[in-house]
Amino acid sequence: DVVMTQFPLSLPVTLGQPASIFCRSSQSLVHSDGNTYLNWFQQRPGQSPRRLIYMVSDRDSGVPDRFSGSGSGTDFTLKISRVEAEDVGVYYCMQGTHWPWTFGQGTKVEIK
Amino acid sequence: EVQLVESGGGLVQPGGSLRLSCAASGFTFNTYSMNWFRQAPGKGLEWVAYISGSSSAIYYGDSVKGRFTISRDNAKNSLSLQMNSLRAEDTAVYYCARGGMGANWGQGTLVTVSS
Repeated sequence: DVVMTQFPLSLPVTLGQPASIFCRSSQSLVHSDGNTYLNWFQQRPGQSPRRLIYMVSDRDSGVPDRFSGSGSGTDFTLKISRVEAEDVGVYYCMQGTHWPWTFGQGTKVEIK
Repeated sequence: EVQLVESGGGLVQPGGSLRLSCAASGFTFNTYSMNWFRQAPGKGLEWVAYISGSSSAIYYGDSVKGRFTISRDNAKNSLSLQMNSLRAEDTAVYYCARGGMGANWGQGTLVTVSS
């Protein structure tokens, strides 16, 4: 199975400052169809997960543009350009290139 | 508006069975693949099973293969997960999600496996 490793696992941030979460896969996530199926999910406290980013860098409808995704191959990044209070929660990367799909351990974002 | 409503969770003894359902609305159900994910208490997310729109492609996570069965009824806009031979480690909130990459999730239903 593809192992997804996220870091850091805990991220205290200052409101209005940028934040970055990193995700590394144990093998390339480039699919045979040429696409890279790497998603980012946000889970606010007490809520269901919500997809933010799909295929590395495409933002889902309604997701603020302060969220961006980048990367290729085995290394990926989720960046929040200016953290707001509503961004508190746990963020997960997930690969959908290889069966079985697998998630990173999650990164807990909290306000300093 | 896309709506996914899970039901069927509850308390079951180890070795028992349970059937989860997910009622879908707000989109053309038969044109979307569907998934089940789960989250054990205080833990991270785990993908459980996938089914294509026509049910021609089905995949399972290693931990549930041979015990769980995913199915769908496109006439009723409904997704199901039949869970047999349940174990304590299957205790989790189970979510149904739309699309190949989990674009939309329901609110989840809690399954507790305990004697």
